[in-house]
Amino acid sequence: DAGVTQSPTHLIKTRGQQVTLRCSPKSGHDTVSWYQQALGQGPQFIFQYYEEEERQRGNFPDRFSGHQFPNYSSELNVNALLLGDSALYLCASRTGNSYEQYFGPGTRLTVT
Amino acid sequence: AQKVTQAQTEISVVEKEDVTLDCVYETRDTTYYLFWYKQPPSGELVFLIRRNSFDEQNEISGRYSWNFQKSTSSFNFTITASQVVDSAVYFCALSVPEAVRGGADGLTFGKGTHLIIQP
Repeated sequence: DAGVTQSPTHLIKTRGQQVTLRCSPKSGHDTVSWYQQALGQGPQFIFQYYEEEERQRGNFPDRFSGHQFPNYSSELNVNALLLGDSALYLCASRTGNSYEQYFGPGTRLTVT
Repeated sequence: AQKVTQAQTEISVVEKEDVTLDCVYETRDTTYYLFWYKQPPSGELVFLIRRNSFDEQNEISGRYSWNFQKSTSSFNFTITASQVVDSAVYFCALSVPEAVRGGADGLTFGKGTHLIIQP
């Protein structure tokens, strides 16, 4: 049973560029959340998707957007990258009736 | 708004010692969930436990135990007879499911405690 998978593993972008990160939830999970973890900090909630709609959002600017597909996979898009966007981006999934979120290995984004 | 505080930035103990990681949380809601996650050097967060606000029973799982006290808003984690493999960053987290949004439950994390177990 595959867990949560994310791609790519690492990514280097230049300030001002745009980036798309991808997440496939654990089998049977329909709810996907994204988190940003800066070095030495705890993860911060970006947003959560369910039934292809964003249903909760953390304190992140509109440069951060996402999408959920009919197969429950999800994308995180970040526009106009800033140096401060360098972080580990974590995806988590759960089933609709459980509050246990399972995390993927993350995508390490470096903005230069 | 919710807040989770892990006052211990780093703890270092010798193998086989017992160690307790502290977690204090803040929320005005009566229904909430508390979690502990382990983050080894590989980076992937590993789920350890979930507790809901109506269940104050302490829990033991092997060498791990958790003490939930609503009176002090604390959810502490103890590792008994620590091992080198326990070395990791441990995060405490809180979620308050939104009833009006089908249970949307973004997690609020503390800053983590870096636990070092020396052989």
